[in-house]
Amino acid sequence: QLLLQESGPGLVKPSETLSLTCTVSGGSISSSNHYWGWIRQSPGRRLEWIGNVYYRGNTFFNPSLKSRLTLSVDTSENHFSLKLSSVTAADTAVYYCARLRWEQFHADFDYWGQGILVTVSS
Amino acid sequence: DIQMTQSPSSLSASVGDRITITCQASQDIRNYLNWYQQKPGKAPKVLIHDASNLETGVPSRFSGSGSGTDFTLTISSLQPEDFATYYCQQYDSVPIFTFGPGTIVD
Repeated sequence: QLLLQESGPGLVKPSETLSLTCTVSGGSISSSNHYWGWIRQSPGRRLEWIGNVYYRGNTFFNPSLKSRLTLSVDTSENHFSLKLSSVTAADTAVYYCARLRWEQFHADFDYWGQGILVTVSS
Repeated sequence: DIQMTQSPSSLSASVGDRITITCQASQDIRNYLNWYQQKPGKAPKVLIHDASNLETGVPSRFSGSGSGTDFTLTISSLQPEDFATYYCQQYDSVPIFTFGPGTIVD
């Protein structure tokens, strides 16, 4: 059974960088048909796709976050990471990591972490 | 950018009811649409992919239909465990993805 687990600080100060890691267990992050992604959910409940990273380092970003976003992967540790710079209160959300199952004519997020609440506040 | 809308935003139903949720895309997305279910405090779970294909293990009372810009999720006989929030998500613009705003079923 594939498991994903987010980790990182639950409180970040405005203008600082939010850093999260997602550790994958029960399977390899170096899977050819899968990307690894981040999705967040604001207190108003809307789900917002943040970005995806492939085990070879290829990345895709939400255009609205691209200028502040870094995604990386560490295959030796079987985890991937997110860094979001210059955060504001608008970045307060539950952050989920998820596996993107991406094949020809098909793409969905089939495994998710439990989510981690990150609050931006001084 | 492809925008997704859902209606209704919430609905009240009873066990045994047949319910339908609609999702509309701002442009043609073919059948590149998934449906997710989210329960309070939990991550979303994929129910239906490619507009009408049931994910393995999902009860057959769930069904999806549609293509182009208009899609529906139907629960034929609502069960107690089905009270949740439902989201649609398009992937026609892959590798960029968009979720709908959600429909609360209570």
